Amino acid sequence: SQTIHQWPATLVQPVGSPLSLECTVEGTSNPNLYWYRQAAGRGLQLLFYSVGIGQISSEVPQNLSASRPQDRQFILSSKKLLLSDSGFYLCACARTSGGHETQYFGPGTRLLVL
Amino acid sequence: QKEVEQNSGPLSVPEGAIASLNCTYSDRGSQSFFWYRQYSGKSPELIMSIYSNGDKEDGRFTAQLNKASQYVSLLIRDSQPSDSATYLCAVNRYTGFQKLVFGTGTRLLVSP
Repeated sequence: SQTIHQWPATLVQPVGSPLSLECTVEGTSNPNLYWYRQAAGRGLQLLFYSVGIGQISSEVPQNLSASRPQDRQFILSSKKLLLSDSGFYLCACARTSGGHETQYFGPGTRLLVL
Repeated sequence: QKEVEQNSGPLSVPEGAIASLNCTYSDRGSQSFFWYRQYSGKSPELIMSIYSNGDKEDGRFTAQLNKASQYVSLLIRDSQPSDSATYLCAVNRYTGFQKLVFGTGTRLLVSP
């Protein structure tokens, strides 16, 4: 079965600083990977998804970017953080069975921008 | 109209009772439906998936799907205090890839 790792678990960053969050997956190959953000009291917002190395699609225009340098590595970055970037960042990995895709979440990174 | 709507709650039930969580969706083309449980401060955990009209049972959990009425529900039998969490309904939408659209969740409180 697949395992999703995310780090760091928590992060406090000043406004204007850069960001790099990492997600790695074990136990599967060539998975579809997703980045979500969950702001306080709000639903899950899809930020990026990737179907393979170097293939990134953005769902919401913002000051964040994503990269997939390796098959099982997905990175979320920012050059300059905004206060509104605070939230719970979740990486998800998809598994397909019987023609249906199911997404499983990693433990998440909680980001506070001050 | 939101794509996926859930009552935010909290839904309070006594221990041992049946908890009923409901979700409606707007995209008639949706084919896959999911319930995730999220404890405070933790990431969502998949509880149930359902793809066909009718009921699907797994232990104390039963998912119900009615595509004609565009609603999906989750029943939790013999509710336990450990079931207290926020339950997220998610519906797929194919836009070149399988996108999941989430509701904002229903908070369930099970009192001992």
